[in-house]
Amino acid sequence: NAGVTQTPKFQVLKTGQSMTLQCAQDMNHNSMYWYRQDPGMGLRLIYYSASEGTTDKGEVPNGYNVSRLNKREFSLRLESAAPSQTSVYFCASSEGPAGGPRNEQFFGPGTRLTVL
Amino acid sequence: DAKTTQPPSMDCAEGRAANLPCNHSTISGNEYVYWYRQIHSQGPQYIIHGLKNNETNEMASLIITEDRKSSTLILPHATLRDTAVYYCIVSASSGGYQKVTFGIGTKLQVIP
Repeated sequence: NAGVTQTPKFQVLKTGQSMTLQCAQDMNHNSMYWYRQDPGMGLRLIYYSASEGTTDKGEVPNGYNVSRLNKREFSLRLESAAPSQTSVYFCASSEGPAGGPRNEQFFGPGTRLTVL
Repeated sequence: DAKTTQPPSMDCAEGRAANLPCNHSTISGNEYVYWYRQIHSQGPQYIIHGLKNNETNEMASLIITEDRKSSTLILPHATLRDTAVYYCIVSASSGGYQKVTFGIGTKLQVIP
């Protein structure tokens, strides 16, 4: 099993450009998440998807959109990138459902994004 | 959601036990305590979780006080590969997903 995979690993964008970060998991998990991590800070939740077909905003959703394409894939789109979106982006998945004893999250390796 | 408090940094000698404390005095009865770690700039890695009882797995042990207001993660024989940032998290159920707030964590430095 590959676990959680993310593409690309690195990306440099100019202000105003758009791009989509891809995430896929092969663990048959119900829930998927997108986080960002800025230097010296913890992870902040951008969007999550509790199950296939549903998405909801997290702590810092402005400037982002997501798509839960199917159970395996959850993409994050930046429509018009800004320098403030320079960060490391992590995708994660969990078996779900909310709360309970089986909600450990499995993380991907991250995408390092720089917006000039 | 219950907040957690951790020391910002700790050192541990290689081969010794590393004991990482976490305070979660406002935890509610149905909230789990989870521990993750992040090695360098990799994605966080799940370590262990518990509700009331002490737990042990191949990576670590988790000791939760009887009043559940604090816990300790124990790495029994720390190695250099255990140098990482360790996050203590209280997991809350919120509108259909596992709401998890990652703070700054404890930066553990294992010293040769």
